[in-house]
Amino acid sequence: DTGVSQDPRHKITKRGQNVTFRCDPISEHNRLYWYRQTLGQGPEFLTYFQNEAQLEKSRLLSDRFSAERPKGSFSTLEIQRTEQGDSAMYLCASSLLVPAGENSYNEQFFGPGTRLTVL
Amino acid sequence: GDSVTQMEGPVTLSEEAFLTINCTYTATGYPSLFWYVQYPGEGLQLLLKATKADDKGSNKGFEATYRKETTSFHLEKGSVQVSDSAVYFCALRSPGGGADGLTFGKGTHLIIQP
Repeated sequence: DTGVSQDPRHKITKRGQNVTFRCDPISEHNRLYWYRQTLGQGPEFLTYFQNEAQLEKSRLLSDRFSAERPKGSFSTLEIQRTEQGDSAMYLCASSLLVPAGENSYNEQFFGPGTRLTVL
Repeated sequence: GDSVTQMEGPVTLSEEAFLTINCTYTATGYPSLFWYVQYPGEGLQLLLKATKADDKGSNKGFEATYRKETTSFHLEKGSVQVSDSAVYFCALRSPGGGADGLTFGKGTHLIIQP
């Protein structure tokens, strides 16, 4: 399977604990994105990387959240001191950005997500 | 900021019925517009897209036209099948400036009955 993979698929933790999720993008994709989706809502953008550089961060990404992509391949999303409000599905996506004209689109391919439950 | 509003579900239709799922947006400039679909137990998949005004995106019998004057991107299909049952998300991407995150609507759950 050459799609986007995420690990773990499910995580249950207690409030105050730290958690880390991993995303492996499609090979050769240079952009990687993190989204959060709560029940009954659409995904909300958190941040994205181009290679190892973090280019955009949403206001939703509080100080307790940190994302890395150290070698420009896989990425990790860490949540420190988890709160019950952090319970959600965390989605990763990747895309291949190629030089193109205005209004081009680099399709984002989504992984299956990691479901976090904070007790 | 940018936002997407789509009709709430669930939407329940009989097989072969005509489908419309409404989507309107608020954004600065001329965003790119998308419909994503999430089938049961699967991840989000791009269904169709339109990158400029009056463009029509189409795929698998679904169509949507980018209407700048009404800031809309309604999804339509002439004859739905049971296999179309899924959650459909309308989304936009703001143009330029390095922004590449998508803004999604809340999703519309579509149920097709045989």
